[in-house]
Amino acid sequence: GAVVSQHPSWVICKSGTSVKIECRSLDFQATTMFWYRQFPKQSLMLMATSNEGSKATYEQGVEKDKFLINHASLTLSTLTVTSAHPEDSSFYICSALAGGNYNEQFFGPGTRLTVL
Amino acid sequence: SQQGEEDPQALSIQEGENATMNCSYKTSINNLQWYRQNSGRGLVHLILIRSNEREKHSGRLRVTLDTSKKSSSLLITASRAADTASYFCAPFIQGAQKLVFGQGTRLTINP
Repeated sequence: GAVVSQHPSWVICKSGTSVKIECRSLDFQATTMFWYRQFPKQSLMLMATSNEGSKATYEQGVEKDKFLINHASLTLSTLTVTSAHPEDSSFYICSALAGGNYNEQFFGPGTRLTVL
Repeated sequence: SQQGEEDPQALSIQEGENATMNCSYKTSINNLQWYRQNSGRGLVHLILIRSNEREKHSGRLRVTLDTSKKSSSLLITASRAADTASYFCAPFIQGAQKLVFGQGTRLTINP
């Protein structure tokens, strides 16, 4: 099956710094990727839809200037958490659509961000 | 807002018993997917049921879908300790072209 990777798998940073998380589709091209956030013992909340070559579509309540998304190629989307604060500490998960087929969505293993 | 609501939020049963989890949603869907997540780990796709399907099986898993009631259920038969995890339903919202996840059911299988 299709594989999606995320890097890093975990990161600890100081408050006020920016953190970049990469999401890669390893063996397929993904014109659309999604970014989710998950707090402990809670569900996944969709943050934004990332489309290759165009601006991301953010869900209501998600600050686009704080969570910068870049989808510069068909295999890579990045999420940058700018000026991170402790409340941004969370588990960030990406997913990718294979071949534009909305029935085939593959998830990455997640990135755990801890902001001190 | 979340489109999937799951019931129960937590379920604890003995190994060998069957586990049933229910999911309700609010709008029209293309399909509904079920995922499993072990603590602190990524998602594992379990099964997808299309809006024109009523029941689907995969190994010990059985999923039903009732679009008139906007509800789905996941049945795990002959549960094992390794089935202990959180289970999420994710309706694929028609028109919006995105998955939204329910709150999940935390399933504990006691040996």
